[in-house]
Amino acid sequence: AQKVTQAQTEISVVEKEDVTLDCVYETRDTTYYLFWYKQPPSGELVFLIRRNSFDEQNEISGRYSWNFQKSTSSFNFTITASQVVDSAVYFCALSGWLSSGSARQLTFGSGTQLTVLP
Amino acid sequence: DVKVTQSSRYLVKRTGEKVFLECVQDMDHENMFWYRQDPGLGLRLIYFSYDVKMKEKGDIPEGYSVSREKKERFSLILESASTNQTSMYLCASSNNYGYTFGSGTRLTVV
Repeated sequence: AQKVTQAQTEISVVEKEDVTLDCVYETRDTTYYLFWYKQPPSGELVFLIRRNSFDEQNEISGRYSWNFQKSTSSFNFTITASQVVDSAVYFCALSGWLSSGSARQLTFGSGTQLTVLP
Repeated sequence: DVKVTQSSRYLVKRTGEKVFLECVQDMDHENMFWYRQDPGLGLRLIYFSYDVKMKEKGDIPEGYSVSREKKERFSLILESASTNQTSMYLCASSNNYGYTFGSGTRLTVV
């Protein structure tokens, strides 16, 4: 069984502050994918990043950066110079093979509600 | 633009009704999924399908069934809706590499 833990239920920051969202995962798979999704108040899930378990390079995309550490099973997400529009629920997810081997299942963490105050 | 379309954005049903939630994808993906989202619990997998007429239970299948008669369509069925099935339902399709989600159906059972 695989599991994703997002220990931070809610985070509140003031605009322009940096904020890090934590994600810890458990899996027995040797090959897996990690994802981050953003869910704004409108409800749709917006894909942010996918990371292959063999690629431990950190990634930066504009104000977003991700730190993947296989040794600690963590895939943390940092927003630099946060903006009000970043307010949303953020989900970390893990894609691993089902025990039946029929398909990959995407397992989500419980989400972190980020509120950026003006 | 690739899409997963859920037929209803909002739905209100009465306890005991049979409810159908429809999902259609246009990406020719083999795999389709139904998730339920509740506050503080994230998204939990109800059922998924890896081929036409093939299905497997997810983490919380009780009270639900599914149907996949055509590759592009995956239906979630609530045989007898109950108030504890009030939730946001999200459909997704996948090629085992990327996942695309629909906009969700917010179901209220009264």
